[in-house]
Amino acid sequence: RKEVEQDPGPFNVPEGATVAFNCTYSNSASQSFFWYRQDCRKEPKLLMSVYSSGNEDGRFTAQLNRASQYISLLIRDSKLSDSATYLCVVNKAAGNKLTFGGGTRVLVKP
Amino acid sequence: NAGVMQNPRHLVRRRGQEARLRCSPMKGHSHVYWYRQLPEEGLKFMVYLQKENIIDESGMPKERFSAEFPKEGPSILRIQQVVRGDSAAYFCASSPGLVSYEQYFGPGTRLTVT
Repeated sequence: RKEVEQDPGPFNVPEGATVAFNCTYSNSASQSFFWYRQDCRKEPKLLMSVYSSGNEDGRFTAQLNRASQYISLLIRDSKLSDSATYLCVVNKAAGNKLTFGGGTRVLVKP
Repeated sequence: NAGVMQNPRHLVRRRGQEARLRCSPMKGHSHVYWYRQLPEEGLKFMVYLQKENIIDESGMPKERFSAEFPKEGPSILRIQQVVRGDSAAYFCASSPGLVSYEQYFGPGTRLTVT
């Protein structure tokens, strides 16, 4: 079983719509959680950290469920520029390695 | 504030040659991580370094690969006697240290072995 699992998609989303997807992680010792986005052949860019209470950054909302060991990301009012691969990432402790999921591909279409 | 810098951006090597990839962390960051992304695969951790120390090399192949982060200068990922299977994107990330869990990535080096 992979440490971090994601639905690879693609999620085809009409522009302006809402899309949500999640990932599951297997290591209960994981302490930090992130969503990164990766555009084709580019470096991963930190989208947001995910906190236990849930957090929002503009059109993006992240939730963490420690009991069920899953993390979610919701994108509201999707823009064409939101088309990317979204990477679910966990970290056991500060200074430790990041473990990446395989990514969820999102395609926003006009 | 310059981000993480990597060079070269693209590197072509013939089988059996050596590849040297360089990474300069963000200003103020003392922790460097190397990750590899094989074609059509996810990113995999290779090694974590602080200045003059290798902290975790659990993701490094046992042979041909080495990494360093000297007191002065960039971090270097060295691959000796490259093989076609080494063709991948190699990303470096940096973080400020134990006070922060967030890592910031450089643009990567795309290694092609012919």
